[in-house]
Amino acid sequence: DAGITQSPRHKVTETGTPVTLRCHQTENHRYMYWYRQDPGHGLRLIHYSYGVKDTDKGEVSDGYSVSRSKTEDFLLTLESATSSQTSVYFCATRGQELVNQPQHFGDGTRLSIL
Amino acid sequence: DQQVKQNSPSLSVQEGRISILNCDYTNSMFDYFLWYKKYPAEGPTFLISISSIKDKNEDGRFTVFLNKSAKHLSLHIVPSQPGDSAVYFCAASSMGNNNDMRFGAGTRLTVKP
Repeated sequence: DAGITQSPRHKVTETGTPVTLRCHQTENHRYMYWYRQDPGHGLRLIHYSYGVKDTDKGEVSDGYSVSRSKTEDFLLTLESATSSQTSVYFCATRGQELVNQPQHFGDGTRLSIL
Repeated sequence: DQQVKQNSPSLSVQEGRISILNCDYTNSMFDYFLWYKKYPAEGPTFLISISSIKDKNEDGRFTVFLNKSAKHLSLHIVPSQPGDSAVYFCAASSMGNNNDMRFGAGTRLTVKP
């Protein structure tokens, strides 16, 4: 869907280690998003990007940073992972400049922090 | 502060019958509403949307109804099919901040053959 690839698809790591998740899109979409999905919360926005090097915080941004050096790639970094960041992470994109357009999602990265 | 709520964690219906999934929101600034469908180990897939200038939008077997005064929307699936079994998420955003989309916790629909 919208040519979105997330990597890795699964990762297990230890508390305190840095982790970077990658989202790659082939549709030349301007907007890209990172969400986390947890039971009882649905999806919650972490950060989003509205262009190369243009990013902004979402609802649950603490403990996360992002970077977008190319249109096609949006990276999510956990500088020092904590067990509370165990979750499923989804990337999404939106291409249209029109405001009422849906976001399209990748297949997620399951991250476990022990 | 959950601004979008899906109060039914699960719903089970018989094949061929109607499925009705409900969603409530608290933020009166929301003016664009969406439903996503999610299968296990896959990302959410966009299903149908509605803007606040309408009260109904239809796409095949799927119809979304919006009641702005009650801050309530619903998704009707008629007739339900076993392949519709999935988790359905309601989502909302406002024109003033359309990048900040809020999701409900989801409803797991099971359609029994």
